[in-house]
Parts: sequence; structure tokens; C-alpha cells
Amino acid sequence: DAKTTQPPSMDCAEGRAANLPCNHSTISGNEYVYWYRQIHSQGPQYIIHGLKNNETNEMASLIITEDRKSSTLILPHATLRDTAVYYCIVRVRTGTASKLTFGTGTRLQVTL
Amino acid sequence: DGGITQSPKYLFRKEGQNVTLSCEQNLNHDAMYWYRQDPGQGLRLIYYSQIVNDFQKGDIAEGYSVSREKKESFPLTVTSAQKNPTAFYLCASSIGQGRGELFFGEGSRLTVL
Repeated sequence: DAKTTQPPSMDCAEGRAANLPCNHSTISGNEYVYWYRQIHSQGPQYIIHGLKNNETNEMASLIITEDRKSSTLILPHATLRDTAVYYCIVRVRTGTASKLTFGTGTRLQVTL
Repeated sequence: DGGITQSPKYLFRKEGQNVTLSCEQNLNHDAMYWYRQDPGQGLRLIYYSQIVNDFQKGDIAEGYSVSREKKESFPLTVTSAQKNPTAFYLCASSIGQGRGELFFGEGSRLTVL
């Protein structure tokens, strides 16, 4: 199973871009990278996912390196409400089953 | 509005008692999941179900049981065999196993006294 490595914490000033890195050096060709975030004591919220190409939606952008061994989640204009734990996950496939395994994530603190 | 409803939000039980956590979804999703989260930790998968009447053990299934008699419902029972049951429990669903993102409920916080 491909595992991910994220820094335990990061700070970002409000209004600036938050760039959250993730290493997944053992990812295989058919595994997707997913990002979720969890605000304190709530259920995680899906943000974005990708396979090879960069992706963008209304919440964030996902940049995946050409060798797919790492990725970066970009929140273009961070606000205080973006303070949360961000999880980078690689989707595992086992036969026809698939499950998402969550690590400890990156705690992003957005400050004034 | 479609979503996932977990109940109760907070639950206190005495040691040695079984307790069942409810999870209901009206998203018409095939797959459902139960995760456990301890303070400062990530989520660990307890059980998941791809389809009605089928479920698979996750990474930490010991001391837990589930059923999937209806598509909308995936209750989790924390049995007396679970040595450290105090935790935050999260239920999720997705369109299908291996497809689509997970939608999570708001969680149930279980405290065993």
C-alpha cells in the first residue's frame, strides 16, 4: 500500500496562498491522490482528487509532479475558516475493493 | 438535503456494556465505512461495506461488529471486547467502493466510564 508523508503543521497568513505538500513515493500507476480536511471535532470534508494531471475546483488546486511521487494542495487565498487538519490520501485497491487510509495529516493554522 | 446522519452525537456508557452507533445515509450510496479517531490521531478504518448484506474488516475490527441489512443503514456495535472504546467514531459513504469521494457524518463521541 502506498503511504503518504506530510509535515505535521504549517502556518499561513490570511489572504496568502497556503501550499500543503505531500510525499507518496511508492504510489502505483492506478492510484489516485485525494485530499480531505477536518475542522476540529467535525467529519472530514472532501476537497479534491487527481491521478496525473493538475486539478482545480472552487476550493483548491492540486499539483501532482510528473513522476507522481509528490503533490501539493494549494488554497489560493487562505481564510481563518481554512484552519483545519489536511489529509493527503492515496487510494488503495485490493481486488475489487478499495479503501482510503488516513494518516495524521497537516495541521494548518491560518493567522491574521 | 442529502447527507449522512450519525446518532447519538455524544454517548456515555459503563465499562462492559455493548453500545450501538447509528449511521443513516440518503445519498443512495452503495459503499459505507466506519472509522475511529483518537485524540491527535488520524482516522483508522474499522469496517466497510460495498453493498447490502456484505461487509469487510478494516484495520482495527477487533471488538466491533456491523450489519448492512439496508442500503441506507450501517450500524456499528462497540462490544465489551473492545479494550479501549472511548473515541470519536465517524461514518462515511461513497458512490461505490473505489469510486468517488467519501462523504462523512458529523461523528459520534463515545466515552466509556
